[in-house]
Amino acid sequence: IVLTQSPGTLSLSPGERATLSCRASQSVRNNYLAWHQQKPGQAPRLVIYGASSRANGIPDRFSGSGSGTDFTLTISRLEPEDFAVYYCQQYDTFGQGTRLEIK
Amino acid sequence: QLQMQESGPGLIKPSETLSLTCSVSGGSISSNSYYWGWIRQPPGKGLEWIGSIYYSGSTYYNPSLKSRVTISADTSKNHFSLKLNSVTAADTAVYYCARYSTSGSYYDTWGQGTLVTVSS
Repeated sequence: IVLTQSPGTLSLSPGERATLSCRASQSVRNNYLAWHQQKPGQAPRLVIYGASSRANGIPDRFSGSGSGTDFTLTISRLEPEDFAVYYCQQYDTFGQGTRLEIK
Repeated sequence: QLQMQESGPGLIKPSETLSLTCSVSGGSISSNSYYWGWIRQPPGKGLEWIGSIYYSGSTYYNPSLKSRVTISADTSKNHFSLKLNSVTAADTAVYYCARYSTSGSYYDTWGQGTLVTVSS
């Protein structure tokens, strides 16, 4: 399976809404799609699992949606600490990442 | 709370064997609810799965690395290890260990990562 994320880079301002996309080359069974956040110099951190469930400690401004082959991570109102790289993951495959940068 | 910590040499020479250990605390690697995996990230690039081990000892490897990789576990020490032989500069990366939940097929806990540089 191949996971394709878009856009490669997203430039937004704090307070704006971010929409990140992950498209799978074949249907994802049971919506087993996760999102991870990675800040510079840090390990990735689980944000969303099962396509739409927030991991422990993740603020409710983060939400995940989608099914089949198309999935979305939405951050409703960007905080400064949200600017990072986001990876989608299905089984042992990772997308190439979307860099969310401050505009 | 589960914690995972990678350890091993930060610099190795081409053709040598990379050896890393992931020490796990706050949880048992003998649990049948998880796989224990290794993932790497070359500088400035994305994440690449290397392989995983299950509590039963079953191992699963990335086909692109399979001929050079061995993952093993020591349940008495609650740690698991990675060996990657015949390394080249292309193996230079941050290596992470991570726990993979079987109930939802996601990595829920990551180690902090360790940079391994391959250079003569």
